[in-house]
Amino acid sequence: AQTVTQSQPEMSVQEAETVTLSCTYDTSESNYYLFWYKQPPSRQMILVIRQEAYKQQNATENRFSVNFQKAAKSFSLKISDSQLGDTAMYFCAFGSYGKLTFGQGTILTVHP
Amino acid sequence: SAVISQKPSRDICQRGTSLTIQCQVDSQVTMMFWYRQQPGQSLTLIATANQGSEATYESGFVIDKFPISRPNLTFSTLTVSNMSPEDSSIYLCSVEDGAHRLGATQYFGPGTRLLVL
Repeated sequence: AQTVTQSQPEMSVQEAETVTLSCTYDTSESNYYLFWYKQPPSRQMILVIRQEAYKQQNATENRFSVNFQKAAKSFSLKISDSQLGDTAMYFCAFGSYGKLTFGQGTILTVHP
Repeated sequence: SAVISQKPSRDICQRGTSLTIQCQVDSQVTMMFWYRQQPGQSLTLIATANQGSEATYESGFVIDKFPISRPNLTFSTLTVSNMSPEDSSIYLCSVEDGAHRLGATQYFGPGTRLLVL
């Protein structure tokens, strides 16, 4: 079974600054995917970024990028130029053949 | 990505009753998933619903409590039976993008917020 740990229950950042959210996971599988989802106050789960475990290159999606360290089983999310709309709960998730295992979430607040 | 809708968006129910939640997708999908998000908590997978076969339940969830139907490739229902206040949660359905495969990405519906009194 997989476990996903997000050790930062809450984070805050000033608008336009950069913030990094941490995530570690544990698995015995060699092929898998990792995801970051955000859940704003509307409660809609929104995919932020996706990383294939077999790719060494870190995924990037506009202002969002990841630092994937497979050996360390670490998958952090960096948000650059933070915007007020980035305020949300962020979940790290481990995925394999449709099964997602989520971390506990990090509440990110962006201050003006 | 697929457009997913859920009904109802929210409901308040009395203990001992049952509620059926509907999930509709605008395109045909192989797998549909049901999650529970208890207040202030993360998402937990309840079951996976594949059209034409019985749903597969995760540990801690049973069919008698959470019966699921999957009559076609665009629709599924989750029933929360004999509800208690502990069932108060957000229930979300999700679907995979494309074929069921290792790297399938899941997209989520807007959720159903349930309060049991």
